[in-house]
Amino acid sequence: DGGITQSPKYLFRKEGQNVTLSCEQNLNHDAMYWYRQDPGQGLRLIYYSQIVNDFQKGDIAEGYSVSREKKESFPLTVTSAQKNPTAFYLCASRADSQETQYFGPGTRLLVL
Amino acid sequence: QKEVEQDPGPLSVPEGAIVSLNCTYSNSAFQYFMWYRQYSRKGPELLMYTYSSGNKEDGRFTAQVDKSSKYISLFIRDSQPSDSATYLCAMSRPSGGYQKVTFGTGTKLQVIP
Repeated sequence: DGGITQSPKYLFRKEGQNVTLSCEQNLNHDAMYWYRQDPGQGLRLIYYSQIVNDFQKGDIAEGYSVSREKKESFPLTVTSAQKNPTAFYLCASRADSQETQYFGPGTRLLVL
Repeated sequence: QKEVEQDPGPLSVPEGAIVSLNCTYSNSAFQYFMWYRQYSRKGPELLMYTYSSGNKEDGRFTAQVDKSSKYISLFIRDSQPSDSATYLCAMSRPSGGYQKVTFGTGTKLQVIP
């Protein structure tokens, strides 16, 4: 089945710790995105990548980093510089020929 | 002022009712309009996608866009308990070489059996 997978489903971070969220897609989509979702707020764009080995900051990139070494993978690292990381993180992808994004199941990050 | 405004609800309706969900926007550069359904603790699922003003129908769902009023709607006919979810509107416009998508905050819908 084609789709987007995210792991883990739940992630706990200790103070000062970097954590990495995984996002994999087998849809052969070129573009991939990371969003953060907080209660009462719309999805906010963290980073996006339109092709392999290239990515751009979104609206709230501070405290996050990404890499795009393979077309199917776009991991997100939440660094210790992100002071309020508790949120639901969503990865999405999009085919070049389409305007619509397709989302993964999400990772909920909690701070211990 | 937010670019996209969406009433957060919650909206509670009896089973079988017609549901109307709405978003307004302020930026006339938005070109593509989407509706997503999000169940609790899940990723959003694309429901409808439209480009032009007018109506687009898919089963029990109808998406309506009025670009002159900067207003979009999603209608759900014969609503079912399984429609209980949060509905997100989204719209995209060109921005710095890519299509920037802006999401509404979502409207929580509950369909009562």
